[in-house]
Amino acid sequence: SQELEQSPQSLIVQEGKNLTINCTSSKTLYGLYWYKQKYGEGLIFLMMLQKGGEEKSHEKITAKLDEKKQQSSLHITASQPSHAGIYLCGAHLREIQGAQKLVFGQGTRLTINP
Amino acid sequence: DVKVTQSSRYLVKRTGEKVFLECVQDMDHENMFWYRQDPGLGLRLIYFSYDVKMKEKGDIPEGYSVSREKKERFSLILESASTNQTSMYLCASSTRWSPNYGYTFGSGTRLTVV
Repeated sequence: SQELEQSPQSLIVQEGKNLTINCTSSKTLYGLYWYKQKYGEGLIFLMMLQKGGEEKSHEKITAKLDEKKQQSSLHITASQPSHAGIYLCGAHLREIQGAQKLVFGQGTRLTINP
Repeated sequence: DVKVTQSSRYLVKRTGEKVFLECVQDMDHENMFWYRQDPGLGLRLIYFSYDVKMKEKGDIPEGYSVSREKKERFSLILESASTNQTSMYLCASSTRWSPNYGYTFGSGTRLTVV
């Protein structure tokens, strides 16, 4: 089973609507990253959360970290066609030091309908 | 602008061929990673390196090897390509001094083994 579970795996929303993607870990999170991937391309770093309760925003995208629930949510307000793509969460599952792999969720494929 | 460059966007190889995937970063990062991405499975780590000539196995190293002779270059080698190695391959780099900035990914190489 996945150490990081994303939900939903696929999401279709009408342009202008709000949406939320969740990322839940089976282990303690020491750092949680959100990436966006356009189809067939590499990953673009969106933001990183490290402390429980931390919340970061960039333009219309807000990410929160719930340390107790070992969960992060990514919220998009007033979605636009440019938000379409695959969103992936990645996490450090042990204390960050030196080289350490990121574990990734399966990804959420977001489609925005005009 | 910092970059991770993967030498090929698309590759088609025959079963049994030896395949080299090249990755170069210009950020003087210590850490470099190779992931493969498959639908429904997300990103899975093949190998990573935290210094020149150093390498560590990831979660799925079987059938792969790596080489890091110079700090900026990390090569993934498929010793004898098989059809189950058809996938999207993503290279990434990071620095131990700024983990908060996450990993920088290349654009990916889509490999098809026929």
